[in-house]
Parts: sequence; structure tokens; C-alpha cells
Amino acid sequence: QKEVEQDPGPLSVPEGAIVSLNCTYSNSAFQYFMWYRQYSRKGPELLMYTYSSGNKEDGRFTAQVDKSSKYISLFIRDSQPSDSATYLCAMAGANSKLTFGKGITLSVRP
Amino acid sequence: KAGVTQTPRYLIKTRGQQVTLSCSPISGHRSVSWYQQTPGQGLQFLFEYFSETQRNKGNFPGRFSGRQFSNSRSEMNVSTLELGDSALYLCASSGTSGINTGELFFGEGSRLTVL
Repeated sequence: QKEVEQDPGPLSVPEGAIVSLNCTYSNSAFQYFMWYRQYSRKGPELLMYTYSSGNKEDGRFTAQVDKSSKYISLFIRDSQPSDSATYLCAMAGANSKLTFGKGITLSVRP
Repeated sequence: KAGVTQTPRYLIKTRGQQVTLSCSPISGHRSVSWYQQTPGQGLQFLFEYFSETQRNKGNFPGRFSGRQFSNSRSEMNVSTLELGDSALYLCASSGTSGINTGELFFGEGSRLTVL
């Protein structure tokens, strides 16, 4: 079993839709949870970062962490064509190694 | 503030050759990590350097090596290239002095093609 599993894609939604992206993990040592966004031909950029269970909101983005179920989610409200990108979940424990999900490519249709 | 700079952006090599990739972190950042990104495996951790010391290493063969200089710039080297080494190599810097909390800033990557 991989340490981090991310829902496979690709995912295509109409503009204005609510998008839900999910990852599960198996390593109980993970303490820090992140979502990165990667546009084509660019490096990943940090979207959201949390270190506890619960929800964290930033504009149209909400990150949710459930440590008891080893499950994290990213919700995008009122999705825009500019949100079209690959989204990667990532997790870290008390060491310096980040473990990424494989990523899901999201396309928001105008 | 300048971001993470990686050079070269694109390169083509043949099997058996070696390659050196360079990364300049954000000014003031002392931690540099390297990742390999492929369509099949996604992003995989190669190694991390902090203050010129390798702090963590991923599960890659010894053909993959790296180093960090006193100005925090980092290089990674891949020797005896194989076709499977074709990938996007990403460098990321972090300002944290201790435990990496994952707040990494990535460069745009060096895309290596091995023929």
C-alpha cells in the first residue's frame, strides 16, 4: 500500500462548480498536510497548509484534515477556468521528507 | 524577491552520460530539496540539504547524488544515465531552520530527456 493515495483523474467540471479533491494516507507519523497546485510547465506552488485536524479556509479554497480517518480533502468553491491545473496533496512527518500524492488534473470548462 | 532558479531548463542526454543540474534557492533559505517528477510515479523525494549537509535521502540508487555550497546553492548529479531517468527534476527551498513543515517553494524544474 502506498503511503499516500490520491483520487485518480482527470476531472472536468463546469465553471462555478464545487470541486472536491481527496487523499488518503497510511502513515500515522504524518503531522503536516499540504495542497500544491501545479500549472503546466511550472513547478508546484503551495496552496494550503495545515497541521491539525479540522478545516482551514482561504478564499474559495477549504482544506479539511481528518487524522482519525487518515483522510484529507481540498474543496474549491465557485471554480474558475484559472483553477485548471494539477493538484497534489503532500504530507510530512517530523523529518524533512515530503511525500506527495500522484496528483489529479482538474479542468474547469467555461 | 527572486524565486527558486533552476538551470538548465531543458536538456537532452544519451544513455551512459552524466548530468549536473543546478539550483539557486530563495535568498535566505538554507534548505534545498530535490524531487523527481514522472507521469507514472509522480513526485518522488531525492534528497534534502541543509547548511551543506545532507539531511534526508530518498530511495534512489547511488547514481543520484547532490551537494550544497556555502551560499546554499545546490547541485544534483546523475551518472550513467538510463532511459528511465527522463523526468522533470524539481528543486525546492525552505526557510525553516529545523523540521521541514512542508512550506516549500519550487523552481520551474529541469526537464531531462535521456535518449
